[in-house]
Amino acid sequence: EPEVTQTPSHQVTQMGQEVILRCVPISNHLYFYWYRQILGQKVEFLVSFYNNEISEKSEIFDDQFSVERPDGSNFTLKIRSTKLEDSAMYFCASSEAVRQPNTEAFFGQGTRLTVV
Amino acid sequence: GESVGLHLPTLSVQEGDNSIINCAYSNSASDYFIWYKQESGKGPQFIIDIRSNMDKRQGQRVTVLLNKTVKHLSLQIAATQPGDSAVYFCAEQYYGGATNKLIFGTGTLLAVQP
Repeated sequence: EPEVTQTPSHQVTQMGQEVILRCVPISNHLYFYWYRQILGQKVEFLVSFYNNEISEKSEIFDDQFSVERPDGSNFTLKIRSTKLEDSAMYFCASSEAVRQPNTEAFFGQGTRLTVV
Repeated sequence: GESVGLHLPTLSVQEGDNSIINCAYSNSASDYFIWYKQESGKGPQFIIDIRSNMDKRQGQRVTVLLNKTVKHLSLQIAATQPGDSAVYFCAEQYYGGATNKLIFGTGTLLAVQP
């Protein structure tokens, strides 16, 4: 069964450092997302991406965050200067379409980011 | 200061019993709803969905009920098994929006006692 894959599974970084979280969405999907989950809290939307541009972003997704699809398979989330409060589980998701049947989003296993 | 995570509501059931997990959603314009299961250290896993033109949908051992009047969703799991132990999230989506952005609820921890 096709799945969304994320690397690394766990990333520890010093405050102020840049991190890049990587995702390989399902191959025929066109819409890509990043969500985050602070420990013990609910999953929060960060950003959606379609046709090589951001289609929607939340207030969490400030200038320190950026996303990129550098090639035909990878989808990355970059945090330029990490803060302690960026520590969370980051989930990548992809979906085949929007506003149509079968718009289910498939989630990856997540990357646990720990900022120290 | 140090932030404290939300204390998840917990539902504890005996193996073989039926479970009912409830969720209140926030946006009356939402027209698509999904239940996700999240096991420890894993990503959300799709269980079942329902569109706003329905009030009930059944899957294998699971049923979702939607009450739009009071903005309430429930997930019923029949004959609950130890493998059902996880956190369950409801999520809502505005189907007419530009993207498939999901708004997740707080989550309920289902603990199945053998």
